[in-house]
Amino acid sequence: AQSVTQLGSHVSVSEGALVLLRCNYSSSVPPYLFWYVQYPNQGLQLLLKYTSAATLVKGINGFEAEFKKSETSFHLTKPSAHMSDAAEYFCAVSGETSYDKVIFGPGTSLSVIP
Amino acid sequence: EAGVAQSPRYKIIEKRQSVAFWCNPISGHATLYWYQQILGQGPKLLIQFQNNGVVDDSQLPKDRFSAERLKGVDSTLKIQPAKLEDSAVYLCASSSGLAGVGEQYFGPGTRLTVT
Repeated sequence: AQSVTQLGSHVSVSEGALVLLRCNYSSSVPPYLFWYVQYPNQGLQLLLKYTSAATLVKGINGFEAEFKKSETSFHLTKPSAHMSDAAEYFCAVSGETSYDKVIFGPGTSLSVIP
Repeated sequence: EAGVAQSPRYKIIEKRQSVAFWCNPISGHATLYWYQQILGQGPKLLIQFQNNGVVDDSQLPKDRFSAERLKGVDSTLKIQPAKLEDSAVYLCASSSGLAGVGEQYFGPGTRLTVT
């Protein structure tokens, strides 16, 4: 069975500081991994995805994530936080086919302090 | 390209009442999903449609929840009767399948409060 854990339900960073959101996964098959962002009162939006190509994945809004199989991790980073990055971030895992369920983690709420 | 549309955006009902949510996916997207997102948690898949057929409804509480996707386009999700623990945001998402696994486009959600 697949599962996702996100360490830290709330993370606060200062504007301009490094953003690091942690994600660890469990999967019995080669996983596809995703980060989604949810702004208040909106649906989720795909930030980036890993599909077994390059282990360092670049996404929108300056975010990137690195797939580390040995650590079963897919942490999300951004070098410099902006106020507009304040949102809920969800890590997710799926199998390889469009019929595979996408399993979402519990989410991490990011606050950016001016 | 228009996004995923959902209505209503907010709904307040009393327990044991019924409620229905509507979703219009992105044009041409064959796969449609309904998720339940309880406050402080990630979305949980309730049901997945491929065109008008059900792919996965293993986590749908079938004694009270039902969903249909007539003609493989719009979809409705119904709860009858509602319980207090059904208070959540109900998200609809769609994907083309061609864009790649897991690339789902989400609507804004319907926030349901059961009192």
